[in-house]
Amino acid sequence: NAGVTQTPKFRVLKTGQSMTLLCAQDMNHEYMYWYRQDPGMGLRLIHYSVGEGTTAKGEVPDGYNVSRLKKQNFLLGLESAAPSQTSVYFCASSAQGYEQYFGPGTRLTVT
Amino acid sequence: AQKVTQAQTEISVVEKEDVTLDCVYETRDTTYYLFWYKQPPSGELVFLIRRNSFDEQNEISGRYSWNFQKSTSSFNFTITASQVVDSAVYFCALSASYNNNDMRFGAGTRLTVKP
Repeated sequence: NAGVTQTPKFRVLKTGQSMTLLCAQDMNHEYMYWYRQDPGMGLRLIHYSVGEGTTAKGEVPDGYNVSRLKKQNFLLGLESAAPSQTSVYFCASSAQGYEQYFGPGTRLTVT
Repeated sequence: AQKVTQAQTEISVVEKEDVTLDCVYETRDTTYYLFWYKQPPSGELVFLIRRNSFDEQNEISGRYSWNFQKSTSSFNFTITASQVVDSAVYFCALSASYNNNDMRFGAGTRLTVKP
């Protein structure tokens, strides 16, 4: 049981480049989330999904898109990366009404 | 709007000391959920506890205990007889939604336990 996994672990992008972060969970959870963590600010919710084929905006969605084509996967896309998107990105999943389980994080640097 | 404040940015203690991490929250909802997560130096986030707003009983789990007081909107976390392995950043979080789609995290408290 791997729990929540994230690919890649590290990435460096140049301004304007695009990329996709992959999150996978094997706990059959309905809910999945993408957060970013910045120094001194805790975690902030970017987008979330309450089930396969559904997505919704969180607190800081601008500049990001997401897709949930399969229940176990939740993709986060950056179409045109900006230095302000330099951050550590965490994916999480949960069963309805329960705590979230987090992946190991992806450290993204945009130069 | 919901808000979580962890006023202590950093705390340093010597092993075996007790330490309390403060968490103060703001919400207009009558039903909400409070959480504590631990982030050790390795970076992952580890779930510690979830408490709903209707359950004000304090909870103890080994050396960890939590004090929930609605009257002061606080959900404080105490580590008794701290150990070096307790060194981490601790986050308090709040959600008024059953599916956590409005989760708000505090800025975190970095705890360093020295041997």
